[in-house]
Amino acid sequence: GQNIDQPTEMTATEGAIVQINCTYQTSGFNGLFWYQQHAGEAPTFLSYNVLDGLEEKGRFSSFLSRSKGYSYLLLKELQMKDSASYLCAVREDDYKLSFGAGTTVTVRA
Amino acid sequence: DGGITQSPKYLFRKEGQNVTLSCEQNLNHDAMYWYRQDPGQGLRLIYYSQIVNDFQKGDIAEGYSVSREKKESFPLTVTSAQKNPTAFYLCASSIGVGGLNTEAFFGQGTRLTVV
Repeated sequence: GQNIDQPTEMTATEGAIVQINCTYQTSGFNGLFWYQQHAGEAPTFLSYNVLDGLEEKGRFSSFLSRSKGYSYLLLKELQMKDSASYLCAVREDDYKLSFGAGTTVTVRA
Repeated sequence: DGGITQSPKYLFRKEGQNVTLSCEQNLNHDAMYWYRQDPGQGLRLIYYSQIVNDFQKGDIAEGYSVSREKKESFPLTVTSAQKNPTAFYLCASSIGVGGLNTEAFFGQGTRLTVV
């Protein structure tokens, strides 16, 4: 399968900013997605990048560099409810959608 | 309401039995996916289907089978050949080629326990 790497765990303080990096290798890139998943629940969609650059949606932003096989998810003004797992996913030309192992973010008061 | 439905939410089976997990969507999506998630792990792709009557193996297809006879339905069978079937199974769908909002939507999952 695809090689999608992201850090296992990150910890930050309420109100701070955290950046979750994702690197990938694929032969036919057709989009990168970020999802949030709380324990025991289904993942929910956060952001989508298919062209290089930054996409901003409220407190969440996502960046993509296709030439570097690199993306990051930026979470600003962290809240306790942001404690969750964040999943990076890459879609290929044939619509195969593969996920990284996820990054567990813990927000401390 | 439009959405993607998995049933049942919890499923118990005896070792050696085949079991079929249901996934139905009324979003008119072309692409559908099955993933497996083990505790503390990410999602691993079992099978995916880009269009009705067609599907491809994902990264961990051994011991599983699927069918895609209808656009709305993508059932997953966990066979007795799957050595460690206890896991959380997630089904997803997306609009497919050419769609603008192309993110995948997930069902609520089926937690399968084999005893």
